[in-house]
Amino acid sequence: QVQLQESGPGLAKPSETLSLTCTVSGGSISSNSWSWIRQPPGKGLEWIGYFYHTGTTNYNPSLKSRVIISVDTSKNQCSLKLSSVTAADTAVYYCARGVVTAPRSALDIWGQGTMVTVSS
Amino acid sequence: QSALTQSASVSGSPGQSITISCAGTSSDVGGYNYVSWYQQHPGKAPKLMIYEVSNRPSGVSDRFSGSKSGNTASLTISGLQAEDEADYYCTSFTSSRTVVFGGGTKVTVL
Repeated sequence: QVQLQESGPGLAKPSETLSLTCTVSGGSISSNSWSWIRQPPGKGLEWIGYFYHTGTTNYNPSLKSRVIISVDTSKNQCSLKLSSVTAADTAVYYCARGVVTAPRSALDIWGQGTMVTVSS
Repeated sequence: QSALTQSASVSGSPGQSITISCAGTSSDVGGYNYVSWYQQHPGKAPKLMIYEVSNRPSGVSDRFSGSKSGNTASLTISGLQAEDEADYYCTSFTSSRTVVFGGGTKVTVL
């Protein structure tokens, strides 16, 4: 079955660019849409953005100027880049797969999440 | 974009039914049948429980059901069980083609 695994540095310095990768196993990344969601410690879920299967992207307006989501089909990976990070970006970051009929809002497979702390 | 509005907590006894509400606007919940619900246990990734307002993914108990009226969506858990104690989040597609989450509801089984 399809599994997702997020990876990346657990620590980032303020003002740096955070780069995370989501590796898809057990299926192809090409035919689905992929989203990133984050959860600050003790808080709720926040939608970051998605890479739609047609190649389009859309981002949370509050993060739009700092976020890029891309897909590398040769590596079966989806990536998240978040620039100019601050302590407010400290969170568990999840990648997730979109359901075929509602690929942007219904996410049926999630990675385990990766904790990122922003600190000098 | 503003987060969808959920009550902070809901509780019930085993066997009872509870309903969690998710209030939005005509630009999100009211405008599209793209409301989903997620269950999250502490330290775990969220799990999709309902999508497209009322559809259950394979493997999700039929004790979970979803509905929508106007700008408010609801998740009902019937026959409440101890394992249902978790945080629940609603989400909706929006007119800006973005996605917005609710603030989450903590369900406690008494």
